Amino acid sequence: DTAVSQTPKYLVTQMGNDKSIKCEQNLGHDTMYWYKQDSKKFLKIMFSYNNKELIINETVPNRFSPKSPDKAHLNLHINSLELGDSAVYFCASSQTSTTYTQYFGPGTRLTVL
Amino acid sequence: AQKVTQAQTEISVVEKEDVTLDCVYETRDTTYYLFWYKQPPSGELVFLIRRNSFDEQNEISGRYSWNFQKSTSSFNFTITASQVVDSAVYFCALSPDQAGTALIFGKGTTLSVSS
Repeated sequence: DTAVSQTPKYLVTQMGNDKSIKCEQNLGHDTMYWYKQDSKKFLKIMFSYNNKELIINETVPNRFSPKSPDKAHLNLHINSLELGDSAVYFCASSQTSTTYTQYFGPGTRLTVL
Repeated sequence: AQKVTQAQTEISVVEKEDVTLDCVYETRDTTYYLFWYKQPPSGELVFLIRRNSFDEQNEISGRYSWNFQKSTSSFNFTITASQVVDSAVYFCALSPDQAGTALIFGKGTTLSVSS
């Protein structure tokens, strides 16, 4: 019973391609997030959605577009991939009415060649 | 501005040693939350503990203990009798008291425990 799942776990692609990463949570949480972990392990927020509404949209290139079809899903689409997009992308979720604890998915390691 | 500082980049210990990971935070909020996460070599981020700003009680969970001191803006993490399985990157994080807000992470401390 995976709480927060992401697919795929590994993604290797060529520069210029478009790719998507999917995230699903079965915790019944109302808020979902995307974080980026760079090669130095630094974690930084990209987006957050609360009840399907965009709350945080950090300064990321507009090639990155999140989509939340429902409260349990938050997908990340990336257009025109660049070498600098190589990183590990983590999805997370939390329930804001009870706790702010964020639970993370296993991560997606994106490698752009 | 809000910030989390983990001054120790890497720590190496031998099994059974005690080790303390330091975390210092900056915030102007009166209500906030502090967290520790563990990232083992397999890569996932594992939640360890959450502490509210109004609760300065220390907490112990098995070999893990946390010391929260608002006076020094610190939230330190001690592992007693370390084991090889404790080898991981440990992140301290800060969250304002606001729905949908991001975690502000420190840069992490890499702990290596050798047998």
